[in-house]
Amino acid sequence: AQSVSQHNHHVILSEAASLELGCNYSYGGTVNLFWYVQYPGQHLQLLLKYFSGDPLVKGIKGFEAEFIKSKFSFNLRKPSVQWSDTAEYFCAVSTNSGYSTLTFGKGTMLLVSP
Amino acid sequence: DGGITQSPKYLFRKEGQNVTLSCEQNLNHDAMYWYRQDPGQGLRLIYYSQIVNDFQKGDIAEGYSVSREKKESFPLTVTSAQKNPTAFYLCASNPGNTEAFFGQGTRLTVV
Repeated sequence: AQSVSQHNHHVILSEAASLELGCNYSYGGTVNLFWYVQYPGQHLQLLLKYFSGDPLVKGIKGFEAEFIKSKFSFNLRKPSVQWSDTAEYFCAVSTNSGYSTLTFGKGTMLLVSP
Repeated sequence: DGGITQSPKYLFRKEGQNVTLSCEQNLNHDAMYWYRQDPGQGLRLIYYSQIVNDFQKGDIAEGYSVSREKKESFPLTVTSAQKNPTAFYLCASNPGNTEAFFGQGTRLTVV
């Protein structure tokens, strides 16, 4: 079974700072990778996803993530955060087989101070 | 609008009572899922269903039950056997091997 590890449970940044949230997964086969975001009081939304191809994936709101297969990592980045990025971020993985279930990390709560 | 509807948004239950959470989708997705979200725990899979009249246990199925009589509906029952039911419950659906789409969630509190 696959598992996901997110390195930071809480991150506090000032506006305009750069962001990198770590995500590592464990699974020996082909995976699909996702970052979801949950803004306060809102439902989970997809930020970006990786299935195949270019390992550098661009998502919504200026976020990007890089899949490094050799490191089993899929870190999320944003060059300059805004106060509106305050949210909880979840990394998730599914295996590349049929209706594979999503396995989530424990989440990282990002607080951006104005 | 297409989407996933969970109801109610807030639910209170007395200890020892069963309660059913509703999840309806009009996206025509085959697969549906129930997750439980607790602070610092992320989302954990309770049950999932890949097709009508079929479902499988997830990682934390004890104390829960589901049914999938219709493609668009996947209700979750939290039974009195669930030791710690207070949590945020999320329903999701998936058209195939792609990303999951989530509902707004139901916050269950046991009083």
